[in-house]
Amino acid sequence: GNSVTQMEGPVTLSEEAFLTINCTYTATGYPSLFWYVQYPGEGLQLLLKATKADDKGSNKGFEATYRKETTSFHLEKGSVQVSDSAVYFCALSDMSGSEKLVFGKGMKLTVNP
Amino acid sequence: NAGVTQTPKFQVLKTGQSMTLQCAQDMNHNSMYWYRQDPGMGLRLIYYSASEGTTDKGEVPNGYNVSRLNKREFSLRLESAAPSQTSVYFCASPPGGAYNEQFFGPGTRLTVL
Repeated sequence: GNSVTQMEGPVTLSEEAFLTINCTYTATGYPSLFWYVQYPGEGLQLLLKATKADDKGSNKGFEATYRKETTSFHLEKGSVQVSDSAVYFCALSDMSGSEKLVFGKGMKLTVNP
Repeated sequence: NAGVTQTPKFQVLKTGQSMTLQCAQDMNHNSMYWYRQDPGMGLRLIYYSASEGTTDKGEVPNGYNVSRLNKREFSLRLESAAPSQTSVYFCASPPGGAYNEQFFGPGTRLTVL
């Protein structure tokens, strides 16, 4: 079945550090790929998405590129801020037609000033 | 336009008690989903409803029932709560179409003693 494997952390960085969160997937067909962010005490918010190979999603300084050849969708940000402290989830769309999402286990990021 | 709303935000139950978690969306979406979030487990699908009048089991349906009351509302019921059901519960709804992203509610934090 479809699955997502991502770095689990937790990870602690200093402000202005470079961030990479690895995400690889297993899926039949060509799923859409997503990064969601969950700030403390809140629900999940869509951070960015990519719907086909070589697409790059970007938002709030974060980027991720849909790499079909390596089945990856790694999240990057060049300079993190304290406000980026959150849990980050990689997800893919189930292509069976049910619109289900399959999530990775999430990675908690803490950014210190 | 409130998006996806959930009630209550917090709940403490004793083992064996019952309760219903409420979810409503005002985006006129056809589909609605219930997930649970546990530490180190990511989000796991409990039940979903692809349209008004239909419901289907997800990955972890045991111990739960759902009702799609109308297009707006999708409730999750615990008939006899168990400590293993201590979790954060999220309702979500996708707009449908090609991208399959989902919009999440703020969550219900449930503790079963």
